[in-house]
Amino acid sequence: EVQLVESGGGLVKPGGSLRLSCAASGFSFNNYNMIWVRQAPGKGLEWVSSINSRSNYIYYADSVEGRFAISRDNADNSLYLQMSSLRAEDTAVYYCARVNEATADGTWVHYFDSWGQGTLVTVSS
Amino acid sequence: DIQMTQSPTSLSASVGERVTITCRASQSINIYLNWYQQKPGKAPKLLIYAASILQSGVPSRFSGSGSGTDFTLTISSLQPEDFATYFCQQSFITLYTFGQGTKLEIK
Repeated sequence: EVQLVESGGGLVKPGGSLRLSCAASGFSFNNYNMIWVRQAPGKGLEWVSSINSRSNYIYYADSVEGRFAISRDNADNSLYLQMSSLRAEDTAVYYCARVNEATADGTWVHYFDSWGQGTLVTVSS
Repeated sequence: DIQMTQSPTSLSASVGERVTITCRASQSINIYLNWYQQKPGKAPKLLIYAASILQSGVPSRFSGSGSGTDFTLTISSLQPEDFATYFCQQSFITLYTFGQGTKLEIK
């Protein structure tokens, strides 16, 4: 069974840092791209960052570019999100998710088929 | 960035009713469109990918259609467990974006 378990959330002051972790099990972690998605209280879903299986393609949303860093350790089946210069607007539940792919109509499509339970990050003084 | 706009943002319906949720992309995204269901306090759950392919284990009352810029999610006969928030998401470009969500409530 695929499992993703986030940890590392908590209360942090504006300008502070936090490192989130996502422990993966039940699948070949090193074969999959991974992402972080966040959800502010009462709001919708916002993609934060993506990393491919070999860590050589990394992408960030404009809202976190330059402040957040995604990484992974395939030997340890773990995904990370280092967050710095945190702002009140970064307050959210952060989810890690697996990116799966399939062919449809002769093209490769991507979708997020497994999600962790989320970890809450609160940025407040 | 590709903007995804869902309508309606909220919807009241009764058990047994047929409902349709619409998602529009700001540019053509072919069939790179996925749908998720989220219940309060829970992680999103994948329902449909590639616009119309039902994820394994998802009931057949859910269906998706569309291509290009306009997409729909249809629930043929609402069940009590279907009352939730639904999100569309584009995967045409790696800067993924979600719709704002449609909250489906019991009438």
